[in-house]
Amino acid sequence: DGGITQSPKYLFRKEGQNVTLSCEQNLNHDAMYWYRQDPGQGLRLIYYSQIVNDFQKGDIAEGYSVSREKKESFPLTVTSAQKNPTAFYLCASNVRAGGGETQYFGPGTRLLVL
Amino acid sequence: AQKVTQAQTEISVVEKEDVTLDCVYETRDTTYYLFWYKQPPSGELVFLIRRNSFDEQNEISGRYSWNFQKSTSSFNFTITASQVVDSAVYFCALRILTGGGNKLTFGTGTQLKVEL
Repeated sequence: DGGITQSPKYLFRKEGQNVTLSCEQNLNHDAMYWYRQDPGQGLRLIYYSQIVNDFQKGDIAEGYSVSREKKESFPLTVTSAQKNPTAFYLCASNVRAGGGETQYFGPGTRLLVL
Repeated sequence: AQKVTQAQTEISVVEKEDVTLDCVYETRDTTYYLFWYKQPPSGELVFLIRRNSFDEQNEISGRYSWNFQKSTSSFNFTITASQVVDSAVYFCALRILTGGGNKLTFGTGTQLKVEL
């Protein structure tokens, strides 16, 4: 089945540790996105990528990094510089950049700090 | 800058009641898209509807209906004869096509609780 997968479902981070969240899609979508969701708030954009080997910062990119080496994959690294990483992270993708295409979302990863 | 306001933080209804979730948006762009997503307790966002700024026709899909009014910058969502399975957080979102990287701007969501 086509879709977006995120792993792990839960992730625990220790102080000073970098952790990487996985996002994979087999929908042949060009554009991929990472959002952060905090309790009682809407989703905020961290990074997005419209094509392979290219990505742009969103509204809250500080403390995060990404790569887009393959069309199917858009991993997000939460670095030690991110002082408040506890949140629900959602990955999304859509068919192409430039248009009103619908973004479809993965199941999310919940990151907790030990 | 774009903004989406969902003033209703939480709504509680009894099953079979009708309920309307409000969404007000702000943008200076004339071309834009509006979306509604449902987030059940599992966490995944489920797409419900997309509407472009040139199409003000209201839409009905089963028990769901949407009322788009550009004059008031609103895109309200009504669930008719609500059911317990409708309990979720509902997000309204706005997407412009200029300079924004095609990102979605989300409202803060409305938590809907449908009780027996």
